Amino acid sequence: DAGVIQSPRHEVTEMGQEVTLRCKPISGHNSLFWYRQTMMRGLELLIYFNNNVPIDDSGMPEDRFSAKMPNASFSTLKIQPSEPRDSAVYFCASESAYTGELFFGEGSRPTVL
Amino acid sequence: KQEVTQIPAALSVPEGENLVLNCSFTDSAIYNLQWFRQDPGKGLTSLLLIQSSQREQTSGRLNASLDKSSGRSTLYIAASQPGDSATYLCAVDDNDMRFGAGTRLTVKP
Repeated sequence: DAGVIQSPRHEVTEMGQEVTLRCKPISGHNSLFWYRQTMMRGLELLIYFNNNVPIDDSGMPEDRFSAKMPNASFSTLKIQPSEPRDSAVYFCASESAYTGELFFGEGSRPTVL
Repeated sequence: KQEVTQIPAALSVPEGENLVLNCSFTDSAIYNLQWFRQDPGKGLTSLLLIQSSQREQTSGRLNASLDKSSGRSTLYIAASQPGDSATYLCAVDDNDMRFGAGTRLTVKP
């Protein structure tokens, strides 16, 4: 298996534009997590899905953030409109239903100017 | 809400030294605890997973312990090497997966 795949790895966008981050979890994993990592706040859980259903989105910072998981092999995290303070590393992770082990993607690094 | 704390925030040791990293959590009703390694600019790599029913797990020079009742876990690294330099994070699974802030380890040659 190729592991958790995230795209894009890097993106530069203008303030006010939409940022769309994508994630393909490991096949067979039934839970998917989105995290944001910053120097100031460390790793923050934004939202997680179980069997494609959002379970806890209390970490989503504002209404500008939304996440979807239309099927077991794909999830998106959108920021609209984007702001410079949204510049961070966003990680997607999927969890093995058998062991509970969490596997991370390489992260997406949007820069909002 | 679960809170996960890691101490120390940073640690610098000479090569060959044995060391212990600490992780504490506030709610003992967990499914498992996982230790990760993160290199600069990279994602997180899983090191060890301890199920709630287990007391410890070992992988090579790494040994992780779990004491659920006291809300503590330790990661022991034996005979440290410069290649062990990274940030080490622990994560607690209580349905959510909550992370500590990490310990930044530097192993000097």
